[in-house]
Amino acid sequence: NAGVTQTPKFQVLKTGQSMTLQCAQDMNHEYMSWYRQDPGMGLRLIHYSVGAGITDQGEVPNGYNVSRSTTEDFPLRLLSAAPSQTSVYFCASRRGAYTEAFFGQGTRLTVV
Amino acid sequence: AQKITQTQPGMFVQEKEAVTLDCTYDTSDPSYGLFWYKQPSSGEMIFLIYQGSYDQQNATEGRYSLNFQKARKSANLVISASQLGDSAMYFCAMPRAGGTSYGKLTFGQGTILTVHP
Repeated sequence: NAGVTQTPKFQVLKTGQSMTLQCAQDMNHEYMSWYRQDPGMGLRLIHYSVGAGITDQGEVPNGYNVSRSTTEDFPLRLLSAAPSQTSVYFCASRRGAYTEAFFGQGTRLTVV
Repeated sequence: AQKITQTQPGMFVQEKEAVTLDCTYDTSDPSYGLFWYKQPSSGEMIFLIYQGSYDQQNATEGRYSLNFQKARKSANLVISASQLGDSAMYFCAMPRAGGTSYGKLTFGQGTILTVHP
């Protein structure tokens, strides 16, 4: 009964480094999303997907890439980390537009 | 464009009293819905309640109820008989079900609720 598995839980990067945040769900959900959470700003959508092979940008996509080659996986790539990307990142999945979202446990990323 | 607004950065309530957390929205979708989530200090996101715009009665889930007022474009969360464990951040969120942003789930800024003993 894994739900949404997000790794790693913590990460420290140096400016300019790249990395991939992993997200996998075992519920056969079509909808998957990546959010970042910063103090006072709620959850802001980075990228989302409505099915394998289909992705779109959210509110704050710059500096991030995604792909969705399978229904289960939706990795988020940071191309060249910047201190402004220091944040808590959440992956979420849901079955349809009007159904509840299930969240991963979050990744606390610090860019120094 | 779709917008979700939570105007209360922080709220305080006495244990066992009721509290209302505000959420207003703006959407062009003819039908829509609204979610509420709770985020305790441990960080996980917990689904609380959902209601669709065509639902005739306000949704209730235990001590949580959703006060949906479409004319005012508000969907407030009411927590009855507050408990210390209700202290958390609360988010409202709305999905897009049409247009070019189909599938997007937008969150409000959140309200921090503190329950006093």
